[in-house]
Amino acid sequence: EAGVAQSPRYKIIEKRQSVAFWCNPISGHATLYWYQQILGQGPKLLIQFQNNGVVDDSQLPKDRFSAERLKGVDSTLKIQPAKLEDSAVYLCASSLIQRNTEAFFGQGTRLTVV
Amino acid sequence: AQTVTQSQPEMSVQEAETVTLSCTYDTSENNYYLFWYKQPPSRQMILVIRQEAYKQQNATENRFSVNFQKAAKSFSLKISDSQLGDTAMYFCAFMKRPGNQFYFGTGTSLTVIP
Repeated sequence: EAGVAQSPRYKIIEKRQSVAFWCNPISGHATLYWYQQILGQGPKLLIQFQNNGVVDDSQLPKDRFSAERLKGVDSTLKIQPAKLEDSAVYLCASSLIQRNTEAFFGQGTRLTVV
Repeated sequence: AQTVTQSQPEMSVQEAETVTLSCTYDTSENNYYLFWYKQPPSRQMILVIRQEAYKQQNATENRFSVNFQKAAKSFSLKISDSQLGDTAMYFCAFMKRPGNQFYFGTGTSLTVIP
């Protein structure tokens, strides 16, 4: 089966610009996660969707970050305006909810804000 | 809130030797899963092994095994017969059930020395 797809792989922007990341989860996976992984740290959960509803967005900086999951499939994560400290890898993951399983990850988008 | 602690930022092991990576977690939940993920330089998160909290038997996957001490909230990973391809970041992760929220530790960088 196809894995979690993310694009782009790399992005360089200037501070105060906006950027968007796209994620296509594994087919049939109702749960979708966005993580921020700063260099040298573990992934931090930004937002979790179940179908197209938000389960947890407590650590999402809502003044600049937004995410949506239209029709319960693809998802986009947006940053506007970007700050230098947003430089990180943004990981998307998906999982099933009907049975006990792990999260499957995409290869991530490396964002550099200059 | 759930926290996952990995107290060893870096470790090294000689090829073919055995190494143990430590992880502790803090939770008030009774229903949860624990995972070890591997992240090589390619950034792709790969599941190594998982443990269901209600199972007393420690999980084993080929050269990888865990020592799960539920009362102590400890979940260590043992890698036997270490191989050069085991060189990577290793993350301990906690998944709360229901809801499937995933929380990660800060990671341990493992280097296998030829």
